[in-house]
Formats: sequence, C-alpha cells, structure tokens
Amino acid sequence: IVMTQTPVSLSVTPGQPASISCKSSQSLFHTDGVTYLYWYRQKSGQSLQLLIYEVSRRFSGVPDRFSGSGSGTDFTLRISRVEAEDVGIYYCMQGIHLPRYTFGQGTKLEIK
Amino acid sequence: EVHLVESGGGLVKPGRSLRLSCTASGFNFGDFSMSWFRQAPGRGLEWVGFIRNKGYGGTREYAASVKGRFSISRDDSKSIVYLQMNSLKTEDSGVYYCCRVGGDYSVLPHFFDYWGRGSLVTVSS
Repeated sequence: IVMTQTPVSLSVTPGQPASISCKSSQSLFHTDGVTYLYWYRQKSGQSLQLLIYEVSRRFSGVPDRFSGSGSGTDFTLRISRVEAEDVGIYYCMQGIHLPRYTFGQGTKLEIK
Repeated sequence: EVHLVESGGGLVKPGRSLRLSCTASGFNFGDFSMSWFRQAPGRGLEWVGFIRNKGYGGTREYAASVKGRFSISRDDSKSIVYLQMNSLKTEDSGVYYCCRVGGDYSVLPHFFDYWGRGSLVTVSS
C-alpha cells in the first residue's frame, strides 16, 4: 500500500491555516467500522509525536487547532491557525494493512 | 510525561550481535505492549516486531525480515524492552526506534502512541 502526501513542503504565515493531504492506494476502512489512519509530526531532533488517530481523534495534549478528516482513501490534516511551534515534518500512516505500517513521505511545514 | 529512551546502538561487524534497550518512564510499563521500528538511510520506517504485555501473554511477533535473528524481550520490573539482534547484516543498519503500542488490537497493533528518539546501528566490516 502506498501513502502519498501533498504538498512536500509548505511555508505558512503564523495565524494562517495549513492543510496537508494524504491519499492511500487502498481503503483504510476496516469491517470493524474503524478507519485506521494516523497523523504524526516529527520536530528536528525529536521523536515522532502522535497528533491524530483514527482519522479525526486528537491525541492527548494535542491543541484543538489540529483536526483530521477524510474517509476511505483520502484524508486531510488541518491546522486552523499555524503557530511557530508547529514547524516540523508531518506524516500520515496507515494501520490496517499489517504488518506493513506504511507512512507517507512527509510534509515539511515551515513558518514564514 | 511518557518518555522512551533507546540505547545500545553502535558499530558492529556483519554476523555479530547487538542488544538495544529502551527504557520507559511516565506510565505503567507492564500494562502496555511495546514495539520496535527501524529506518535505514534514505528509506521509510519498517516495523521490526512487538511484544505484548503480560496480560496478553507477553508473546511476540516479528517482521519476516528479522524473524529467527531478532528477539524482543521485556523486564517489567525495570520498565525496559530489549531488542536482541543476532547474525546482523549490512542491511540491518539504520536508526532503531522503540514505541508504545496504542489503543486496542486483536492480532497486530494498529498504531503507536509514543516513540523514542532512536538509536543508530551500523553494521559494517
């Protein structure tokens, strides 16, 4: 399964919104009713941080300016108002076609 | 706050062994399954394997690429999960990450909620 993220990079002015797309080559919807799509961020020199699980559920401590949406094979991560601390590389990951946990190639967010 | 810190990486010759450790803090380690990933230079993250918590038998699953050579164990009294790597090959080189299994699962985890920063393993003669 291939996870394709766009754009590869984006530069955003603080306070402006940002959006990252993730498309999977196969559906991530499981017969158990769950769609196994996740969003992570990695800041320079730091570990992967889980932001969103199961498409739209914010993980503990994640600010509500982060939101996830989508279904089937098309997904989006949105940041309503970008802040300086949001810089990093964002990855989507599928957790249904196991054990090949596939990540997108990453989207680098920079602040203007 | 949850922390995972990997250690034990380094330079090792092909065919030799190496053991990585991942020390956890900030949560009840014994209640969680733990996993290892790796990332070769210029490649994506590859799942290595995981170990269930004792409540689910403490059993292990491995990727086909490492099965029979790598072994995962845990010491709940020390909050450490280990990755024993034997018969190392040059293609085993990369950064190895420890992570905590998130959510519920039936056979294999669907996701991982906390990750370490990684430990570099270089297999070279």
